[in-house]
Amino acid sequence: DSGVTQTPKHLITATGQRVTLRCSPRSGDLSVYWYQQSLDQGLQFLIQYYNGEERAKGNILERFSAQQFPDLHSELNLSSLELGDSALYFCASKGSQETQYFGPGTRLLVL
Amino acid sequence: AQKITQTQPGMFVQEKEAVTLDCTYDTSDQSYGLFWYKQPSSGEMIFLIYQGSYDEQNATEGRYSLNFQKARKSANLVISASQLGDSAMYFCAMRERNTGGFKTIFGAGTRLFVKA
Repeated sequence: DSGVTQTPKHLITATGQRVTLRCSPRSGDLSVYWYQQSLDQGLQFLIQYYNGEERAKGNILERFSAQQFPDLHSELNLSSLELGDSALYFCASKGSQETQYFGPGTRLLVL
Repeated sequence: AQKITQTQPGMFVQEKEAVTLDCTYDTSDQSYGLFWYKQPSSGEMIFLIYQGSYDEQNATEGRYSLNFQKARKSANLVISASQLGDSAMYFCAMRERNTGGFKTIFGAGTRLFVKA
């Protein structure tokens, strides 16, 4: 158990819909990273937050947005969903050491 | 351009033998970090080992060691005494600076099969 929690574990929705994925980092970790893992694109870095502020951006679509709240949990919002957004979404948290600890992931299926 | 290259899509190894998983990287940063993660069929990502670009010694964590050759830009993972539970997907990753923070780039992965 990495100490990072993600909800929900599975999500099935329809094209055009909007969903919110939630992540709680390990106790004391200020950094949260979001990743998307799909069969065709592999593991892609989406965005990083540190103590509530956006710090780094990767291949995140404009339809996607994220935020980190004062209690350090983070949410990834995916809107106008397309079939190609079906993937495993991970969040990871990082403390003062270099290691990122990954949550169990949210498996999103868009029908 | 591919920043992390894992040239072995799949590898077989006999139980109790050692295996090397290849990884090469490309960066112009002087300061960067290299990681290996394991992803079993259950899907979770498990951290294995980390090597900083300024670390002079190769990193080791139990049965895992990282063969870091900076001039060649390679960071191969060596697993000694393979076990059946080592069968999984293995990802090499690099942390590099991105605007005010860091991003981590992953390779395509190598699927390791350990034979009894």
